[in-house]
Amino acid sequence: DIVMTQSPDSLAVSLGERATINCKSSQSVLNRSNKRNYLAWYQLKPGQPPKLLISWTSTRESGVPDRFSGSGSGTDFTLTISSLQPEDVAVYYCQQYYSTPLTFGGGTRVEIK
Amino acid sequence: QVQLVESGGGVVQPGRSLRLSCAASGFTFSTYGLHWVRQAPGKGLEWVALISYDGSNKYYVDSVKGRFTISRDNSKNTLYLQMDSLRAEDTAVYHCAKLHSDYQIADYFDSWGQGTLVTVSS
Repeated sequence: DIVMTQSPDSLAVSLGERATINCKSSQSVLNRSNKRNYLAWYQLKPGQPPKLLISWTSTRESGVPDRFSGSGSGTDFTLTISSLQPEDVAVYYCQQYYSTPLTFGGGTRVEIK
Repeated sequence: QVQLVESGGGVVQPGRSLRLSCAASGFTFSTYGLHWVRQAPGKGLEWVALISYDGSNKYYVDSVKGRFTISRDNSKNTLYLQMDSLRAEDTAVYHCAKLHSDYQIADYFDSWGQGTLVTVSS
């Protein structure tokens, strides 16, 4: 199984400042034939289902603000919120879909400082 | 638009059974793989089980193998999770989730249900 490890567990960022979340996979999720990394990011708020933010490492879902961006390749990935807004307070999860079982990172809680 | 509505959760004693359902609409149900994902209180997301679009392939996380059974009825647009021999550690909100691409079993999730709470307690 591919183990996904996120860091930090939580972070507090001032409004308008940058938040950076890291995600590391225990093996590469890069498909060398199509050069795509099978990595997604989700946002989870209390009482709501997870919301897909980004797929294929860096492709934002329709309607997701452009302050959210994803990057990385192979085993190391990053979700960046360029200018934190109050509505971004949530827990963020990375997920690999390179192979079954599909696995999630442990989550990173983002709060306002 | 896509709707996934789970039902069947509740409080159950250890060792007993429960069946969850997920009613789907807004997409061609019979062409998409479907999954159950759970979140225990204060914990992260954990993938539980998947079933291929036609029901021919099923996979489970090790901790539920032999106790949980995933199934689907494509004529009723409904996904199920039969949970037997429940344990306290199965306490969680259970979400059904739809894959983005049809005819796949591994992909990212583009739609989720609100979830149904299962509490295993004596």
